[in-house]
Amino acid sequence: RKEVEQDPGPFNVPEGATVAFNCTYSNSASQSFFWYRQDCRKEPKLLMSVYSSGNEDGRFTAQLNRASQYISLLIRDSKLSDSATYLCVVNERKTSYDKVIFGPGTSLSVIP
Amino acid sequence: GAVVSQHPSWVICKSGTSVKIECRSLDFQATTMFWYRQFPKQSLMLMATSNEGSKATYEQGVEKDKFLINHASLTLSTLTVTSAHPEDSSFYICSKLRDLRAFFGQGTRLTVV
Repeated sequence: RKEVEQDPGPFNVPEGATVAFNCTYSNSASQSFFWYRQDCRKEPKLLMSVYSSGNEDGRFTAQLNRASQYISLLIRDSKLSDSATYLCVVNERKTSYDKVIFGPGTSLSVIP
Repeated sequence: GAVVSQHPSWVICKSGTSVKIECRSLDFQATTMFWYRQFPKQSLMLMATSNEGSKATYEQGVEKDKFLINHASLTLSTLTVTSAHPEDSSFYICSKLRDLRAFFGQGTRLTVV
């Protein structure tokens, strides 16, 4: 089983739609969780952290379920500029270093 | 936020030559730098973890003699692709952590012809 798995995608949605991305992780000791966005041929950029209580940033809502080892990202009122690949990221704190694990990403295309 | 400067942003080289990629931490000293590779339409794959003043830790399947990593100072880590071949053509990117968040360099697109 892969350490971090995501919906395979791609997701093609019309403008204004609501879209949800799912992510699961295998290591129950994972400590921190993030969603990154990566545009074509660019470096990933942090979209938002994911907290156990759930958190919202404008049109974006992230949820974490530690018991199920599941993370989600909800995008409401999709914009054309939301088209990108969304990466689920899980951090594990080892004794002497931190390990960052990226999911394979889910591609989103928002269509006019 | 944390800043990582990576260069070159793109490079084309002949098969058999070596290419060096630099990553600089501009705002704070980074004892650890992570190096990733990304093939088209695939995810970021961790190649190695670079540690200042000690040997890098390579992921399984990554040839340490082919991908030389040097982290001689707290602000500079380099990745050298030795004797590059067309199959090494990829997007290489470095990152550092701050408060468990990853901050990335701009990436280097390597094309070996």
